Formats: sequence, structure tokens, C-alpha cells
Amino acid sequence: NAGVTQTPKFRILKIGQSMTLQCAQDMNHNYMYWYRQDPGMGLKLIYYSVGAGITDKGEVPNGYNVSRSTTEDFPLRLELAAPSQTSVYFCASSYSRGARTEAFFGQGTRLTVV
Amino acid sequence: KQEVTQIPAALSVPEGENLVLNCSFTDSAIYNLQWFRQDPGKGLTSLLLIQSSQREQTSGRLNASLDKSSGRSTLYIAASQPGDSATYLCAADSGGGADGLTFGKGTHLIIQP
Repeated sequence: NAGVTQTPKFRILKIGQSMTLQCAQDMNHNYMYWYRQDPGMGLKLIYYSVGAGITDKGEVPNGYNVSRSTTEDFPLRLELAAPSQTSVYFCASSYSRGARTEAFFGQGTRLTVV
Repeated sequence: KQEVTQIPAALSVPEGENLVLNCSFTDSAIYNLQWFRQDPGKGLTSLLLIQSSQREQTSGRLNASLDKSSGRSTLYIAASQPGDSATYLCAADSGGGADGLTFGKGTHLIIQP
């Protein structure tokens, strides 16, 4: 199984450009998430989704948008890229079985805005 | 708002030693506590998950404990090896998966050969 797949792995954007970070999971998980990780910091939640058609803001949503049209895909859109969005972005998905919820992460997208 | 703290921020020990990484959280109403490993430039690999009703979980040389009442979890690594060198992250699930995990900043571990 591929698990959680993110593309691209690396990207350099110019200030003001837009791009979409792709995320796909093949585990039929209902929950999906986008996090960003800055140097020396823990991961911070950008957006999350509890199922197709349902999304909600996390701790740091400004400058980003998401959609969830299928269970498998959860793209993250950056509009008008700014240097503050230079970061490593991780997509994750999780299942919930009773009280047990375990998260699985993709390999990350390293984004630099110049 | 849940806050997660990891101590120490960095640790360097000789190969073969047993070691303990600490994680504390401010809100004891958690569903799960998950430990991850992150290698440089890589994603997060899940090591152990402890449900709120459990006290500990073991996988090979790793043992994670959970004390909800005191807001603490520990990751014990036995007989450390150079391949254990990585950053270890703990994360608290306060919403049953519905609103993500709250992460600590991690412990950067170096095992000296």
C-alpha cells in the first residue's frame, strides 16, 4: 500500500504566485489533515477534514484553502504566496476505531517562497 | 487549549545506554497519545499509540507509558543504537481524531557510536 502520498516533494515559488499541494491516501480513512512544520517547532494544524465535502480550519489557516471532493484526495491551495509560507508541509490521514485513532503521515513537501 | 511540551529538547548519549524521553500535556482529557520518529528531511513514522484507557505500549526496544492524571507520557528506549538517532515527537489527540493532533517540539536524539 502507498499510504499517504504527497506531491511535489520540493517547490520554489515566487512571492505572489499560487500553487496546489496534492495529497492522496489509499487507506479509506475518513479524517485528513494538513500541517506545517517550521524549523525547531512542532507541527501546526492548517486545515482538516472529517469526510468528503467537510472541511474546517485548524490553528494556522490564513493564506490557505482546501477542498475534499473525494475520500482519497485533500489538496491544499496557496494563494498569493508569501515568504512566511516557507515551510515543510505534511499531509496526514487517520482512522478511528472506537477509542483508537491513529494518524499516518506523508513524506512532506518542502516549499520555499522567494 | 491543549499544549504539549517535550523535555529535553536535545540529548546525546553513548551507544548501549537506556534512555527516557519526556512528554507533558496540559489537558488530561485526551483520547490517545502518539509517539513519532522523524529522520532529517523525512516524514513522520508512527512508533507507538497509547489509548487513554491504557498505561503503556511496547514495540521491540521501545516502551511508552501514559499517566493521564499527571499529564505525562514517557518513551523508554532500551539498549540504544546509532540507528535510533532521530527527532522524536509526541502528539496528543484531544478530539478523537476529528480535529487533529497537538504536537510537542520534539527531542533531537543523537546516539554516539
